[in-house]
Amino acid sequence: GAVVSQHPSRVICKSGTSVKIECRSLDFQATTMFWYRQFPKQSLMLMATSNEGSKATYEQGVEKDKFLINHASLTLSTLTVTSAHPEDSSFYICSASLGQGKISYNSPLHFGNGTRLTVT
Amino acid sequence: KNQVEQSPQSLIILEGKNCTLQCNYTVSPFSNLRWYKQDTGRGPVSLTIMTFSENTKSNGRYTATLDADTKQSSLHITASQLSDSASYICVVSPGGFKTIFGAGTRLFVKA
Repeated sequence: GAVVSQHPSRVICKSGTSVKIECRSLDFQATTMFWYRQFPKQSLMLMATSNEGSKATYEQGVEKDKFLINHASLTLSTLTVTSAHPEDSSFYICSASLGQGKISYNSPLHFGNGTRLTVT
Repeated sequence: KNQVEQSPQSLIILEGKNCTLQCNYTVSPFSNLRWYKQDTGRGPVSLTIMTFSENTKSNGRYTATLDADTKQSSLHITASQLSDSASYICVVSPGGFKTIFGAGTRLFVKA
């Protein structure tokens, strides 16, 4: 089945530093990937939609200069948390849809296993 | 306002028992409804996807139903196992890639 790999699984960084999280589709091409944030005991909150070869689309209230997204290839999207602060500590998850265009709208989303970010 | 509400918030059942989780939505228009299982500290895994014309779909011991008229869905788990302990998330799409997540139901299966 379709596999999405997310790396790292855990990262601890100091306040003010930047952290990059990678999301790879291992056995399929993902034109579109999604980035979410999840707080404890809450559901996922979509942060942005990452489109290969173009700028990401950010949800309302998500700072695009804070959360930099790059989708340079059909199998890799990265999320960089810039100048991280303790309030950025959270569980970040990516997903990708199998298929392209309208076919993928009703296809399953394949999620990575998430990255636990702790900013000290 | 597009919303997805799940109930109960949490549920404890004994191993081997059945249970049903509910999802009510006010999303419009409607494209599809998905159920996901999320183990603690992991990404969600797809269980079922239903479009407007489908009113039931099974995946092993998981059976999802959809009533598009009343905008309700349920996820029925048969003969629960300890490994079913997880959060179950209902996600509704109004079209395209747009998705609206429910808060999830946390299921605890006890021996």
